[in-house]
Amino acid sequence: GAGVSQSPSNKVTEKGKDVELRCDPISGHTALYWYRQSLGQGLEFLIYFQGNSAPDKSGLPSDRFSAERTGGSVSTLTIQRTQQEDSAVYLCASSLGLAGIAKNIQYFGAGTRLSVL
Amino acid sequence: GNSVTQMEGPVTLSEEAFLTINCTYTATGYPSLFWYVQYPGEGLQLLLKATKADDKGSNKGFEATYRKETTSFHLEKGSVQVSDSAVYFCALLSKSTFGDGTTLTVKP
Repeated sequence: GAGVSQSPSNKVTEKGKDVELRCDPISGHTALYWYRQSLGQGLEFLIYFQGNSAPDKSGLPSDRFSAERTGGSVSTLTIQRTQQEDSAVYLCASSLGLAGIAKNIQYFGAGTRLSVL
Repeated sequence: GNSVTQMEGPVTLSEEAFLTINCTYTATGYPSLFWYVQYPGEGLQLLLKATKADDKGSNKGFEATYRKETTSFHLEKGSVQVSDSAVYFCALLSKSTFGDGTTLTVKP
């Protein structure tokens, strides 16, 4: 696609429910990143994928968070048993690759605003 | 470890004022440095970048110079406009490390 697409744009859920957030990267981008932006806060790096592999999952806040990527394209971030502190904007970005200046410019989606009631 | 420290906001300026947003970093080697901008209700957009010491990135009247000796990459603009109101992030993309963001509000 023309840009990074995220869905849904807004999600309201009840505490304890599971949610899935989707990211569709720019076609041909092998690297994909997830960030969390809490109200008034900076970007918190969660996880990245190179192809379908996520070499480092240490940025995920807890074991309720998981992410997968299939076919080197679409990625889903799943939050199980949501808590109110999970409320934030979840941003996805993609880049051509991980190494080198031209490759590691990250292009961002508009984000999914998650509200846990 | 790697880190980026940005000038705390919010910053409020009058139109045509001079803008500086400070950014310093800690990293091994010589990373490429970036400024991103987030307009209200939108995702982050790349504003400018620099890949090596003394490089100057520029775009839309904004400039930032990569200073290795002071490990800094301060963002400047000579005359801000109302349309520049946004949140600005300094970043080390190779480590997916972003500053906390500085909110700029420009008043007419």
